[in-house]
Amino acid sequence: DADVTQTPRNRITKTGKRIMLECSQTKGHDRMYWYRQDPGLGLRLIYYSFDVKDINKGEISDGYSVSRQAQAKFSLSLESAIPNQTALYFCATSDLHNTGELFFGEGSRLTVL
Amino acid sequence: AQSVAQPEDQVNVAEGNPLTVKCTYSVSGNPYLFWYVQYPNRGLQFLLKYITGDNLVKGSYGFEAEFNKSQTSFHLKKPSALVSDSALYFCAVRDIGGSYIPTFGRGTSLIVHP
Repeated sequence: DADVTQTPRNRITKTGKRIMLECSQTKGHDRMYWYRQDPGLGLRLIYYSFDVKDINKGEISDGYSVSRQAQAKFSLSLESAIPNQTALYFCATSDLHNTGELFFGEGSRLTVL
Repeated sequence: AQSVAQPEDQVNVAEGNPLTVKCTYSVSGNPYLFWYVQYPNRGLQFLLKYITGDNLVKGSYGFEAEFNKSQTSFHLKKPSALVSDSALYFCAVRDIGGSYIPTFGRGTSLIVHP
């Protein structure tokens, strides 16, 4: 089983719908992140959380919200999806005590029509 | 502020030839530097990192990277490319004294031709 699991892996939805992407991890890491990947733009940070009570906005948080339900779970929501949110979304984790390398899930491909 | 530049969108190399994927960075203090690889339809995988010490860092799958402080570069290298090395490569930097959040480059697509 993967250490960082994202669901769903693929989702097609319509403009205005609410979408939740879920992430769970078995690595025991405190820190969790949501990134968005667009061709030619690399990875951009949406939100991050250093522990259950800590939520922080990244560089592109508008239109997104997150919930850290437990140390192992970090969900990303799009309250009202729009077509320019079509992208590949990655969840990642890192250990408080290491030098910062991230461990990524396999990605959730979201298409908003 | 921290930033990373990967000046090449795509690198093409013949199988068996050496490869280099370039990365330059900017940080206020001292850097932690990372390389990740992304195979098609997969998440990013950690390849190697520079923290301190020897400027030549060895990582997974025969890759290595050379830290050059004067040129603020951290180029990824491999002596002999394989077709299976074809993937998207990301460089990332974190300022040791700053945010714990790494900044990623835009990625370089490596294509190894048979």
